[in-house]
Amino acid sequence: ETGVTQSPTHLIKTRGQQVTLRCSSQSGHNTVSWYQQALGQGPQFIFQYYREEENGRGNFPPRFSGLQFPNYSSELNVNALELDDSALYLCASSSTGQETQYFGPGTRLLVL
Amino acid sequence: DAKTTQPPSMDCAEGRAANLPCNHSTISGNEYVYWYRQIHSQGPQYIIHGLKNNETNEMASLIITEDRKSSTLILPHATLRDTAVYYCIVRVAGSGNTPLVFGKGTRLSVIA
Repeated sequence: ETGVTQSPTHLIKTRGQQVTLRCSSQSGHNTVSWYQQALGQGPQFIFQYYREEENGRGNFPPRFSGLQFPNYSSELNVNALELDDSALYLCASSSTGQETQYFGPGTRLLVL
Repeated sequence: DAKTTQPPSMDCAEGRAANLPCNHSTISGNEYVYWYRQIHSQGPQYIIHGLKNNETNEMASLIITEDRKSSTLILPHATLRDTAVYYCIVRVAGSGNTPLVFGKGTRLSVIA
């Protein structure tokens, strides 16, 4: 059984650019949740995807968007990057009826 | 906002038990207590969860008070690799896909 994987591990972008982060869910899991973790803070929920549809969203602007694919992998897209978007981006996978979310290692994004 | 209160930091001698407290005085009858930990710059790692009975697994034990307003995570023989931020989270049971709400957690330092 493979765990949650994310790519890339690190990324540097400049303000105004767009970025795409990728997540492969754990085998057997059909739901992916994305979190943003600023330095020194706990992770904050961005949104969740289930059956290729957004299934809940935290307090993040529309320039944060996502996709889920038929194999349950997912992408997080951020447009018009701002300096405050610099953070560790985490995805977590889970399955319907299971209580636990399992996290990937994260992608560290630096916006200059 | 997080529904839990944890001390910001704790120290523990290597080989001794680490007891991490968490207050969740407003917990509802259908909410689980979850514990995750995050080793520096990695994704959060699931440790254990419980509803009202004490739970034990290969990583830790979870002791929940009878009134369910507080709990303690016990690492029975702490090692240097247990140095991490530990998050206590309450979450509605049967809601495997609802987001986790993280606070700032407790930074545990295991000292040789």
